[in-house]
Amino acid sequence: DGGITQSPKYLFRKEGQNVTLSCEQNLNHDAMYWYRQDPGQGLRLIYYSQIVNDFQKGDIAEGYSVSREKKESFPLTVTSAQKNPTAFYLCASSMTASFGNQPQHFGDGTRLSIL
Amino acid sequence: QKEVEQNSGPLSVPEGAIASLNCTYSDRGSQSFFWYRQYSGKSPELIMSIYSNGDQEDGRFTAQLNKASQYVSLLIRDSQPSDSATYLCAAPPEGGYNKLIFGAGTRLAVHP
Repeated sequence: DGGITQSPKYLFRKEGQNVTLSCEQNLNHDAMYWYRQDPGQGLRLIYYSQIVNDFQKGDIAEGYSVSREKKESFPLTVTSAQKNPTAFYLCASSMTASFGNQPQHFGDGTRLSIL
Repeated sequence: QKEVEQNSGPLSVPEGAIASLNCTYSDRGSQSFFWYRQYSGKSPELIMSIYSNGDQEDGRFTAQLNKASQYVSLLIRDSQPSDSATYLCAAPPEGGYNKLIFGAGTRLAVHP
């Protein structure tokens, strides 16, 4: 079954701690994305990557870091610099296109809370 | 100015009625638009894509695009209580390929 797997489903962070959220896809998609969703709000783009070993900041990258060492994997680290990390984190992927856009497909998400 | 705007709702419709959800976007050059459904506590699920002016139908769902008015809508015929969810509209940002801007979503409530 092709899809996007996010883990863990729930994560708790202590003060001053860095935590890493996993995102793996077996759809052979080139592009991957991380979004943050706060209660009752829309999706805000944190980082995205269109190709291995390359990624760009989204609208709210401060306090987060990513890597893209493999096409299938795009982990997100929430650093201690992110003072308000409690949110629902969504990973997505899409095929790339030379013109226009392809739809993005989402994993099931990770809920992060502060202890 | 937000690039993709939606009425937050809630939009309340009786079971069996047509639900009409609307979205406006700012970039006249946008070529593709997407509707996602998000149940409470779950991740968004793609339900419709539309790439050209006019209507795109899939079962009970119809997406309508009017590029001149920069307006895209989603009609849900024969609405069911299981359609109760938040519907997100997404479009590419100005000059941005392989990225999408999501509207804040419209909450739909279908009551029996």
